[in-house]
Amino acid sequence: QSVLTQPPSVSAAAGQKVTVSCSGSSSNIGNNYVSWYQQFPGTAPKLLIYDNNKRPSGIPDRFSGSKSGTSATLDIAGLQTGDEADYYCGTWDSSLIAVVFGGGTKLTVL
Amino acid sequence: EVQLLESGGGLVQPGGSLRLSCAASGFTFANYAMSWVRQAPGKGLEWVATVTGPGSTTYYIQSVKGRFTISRDNSKTTLYLQMNSLRAEDTALYYCGKTYRSIDLYDSWGQGTLVTVSS
Repeated sequence: QSVLTQPPSVSAAAGQKVTVSCSGSSSNIGNNYVSWYQQFPGTAPKLLIYDNNKRPSGIPDRFSGSKSGTSATLDIAGLQTGDEADYYCGTWDSSLIAVVFGGGTKLTVL
Repeated sequence: EVQLLESGGGLVQPGGSLRLSCAASGFTFANYAMSWVRQAPGKGLEWVATVTGPGSTTYYIQSVKGRFTISRDNSKTTLYLQMNSLRAEDTALYYCGKTYRSIDLYDSWGQGTLVTVSS
């Protein structure tokens, strides 16, 4: 089981908004920045969000992130079929002295 | 353009060894910490190890400490992972990742190299 907890799957209709949650503790999310990655089957992960809510160049503003306490969320608005992928949260854990990832969430666009 | 090209994966028996390489280009390699992140078949991402830019400091996940060694050759812009005493649970696709500003943030990834530990 992963240090960070994500729902295994989420789904929503095309055009709607979906939220992916990531729950941790004070040793990781509570005191460190959170990043989010998007991974399509058979491909490498891609950075989507960093520093809780910043988007790298080229990432549409449909993708947004936030953090509150020991939890973080990734919101995807205006869902498109091309958004179907696995999404992972990640951060540093100060107690483990390790990088930790969530177990991943599979997004299905209905 | 940043390019990361992993190699060295393959089939190895339990207890065996492998050395993975990651050839980097398109950025000033020595200025960035680099990591290995693995993904077992059908599973999620798992960080394995990180080495700082100068190569002076390393970090490992507990399950590989004493068995794996991460290193780098900045003159060759190449990252390595020496894996000894391999176990079945080490079977995974191994990605190298370029960090961005902090060692838990990756802005570029390679395509991965597959390591299979099986008799």
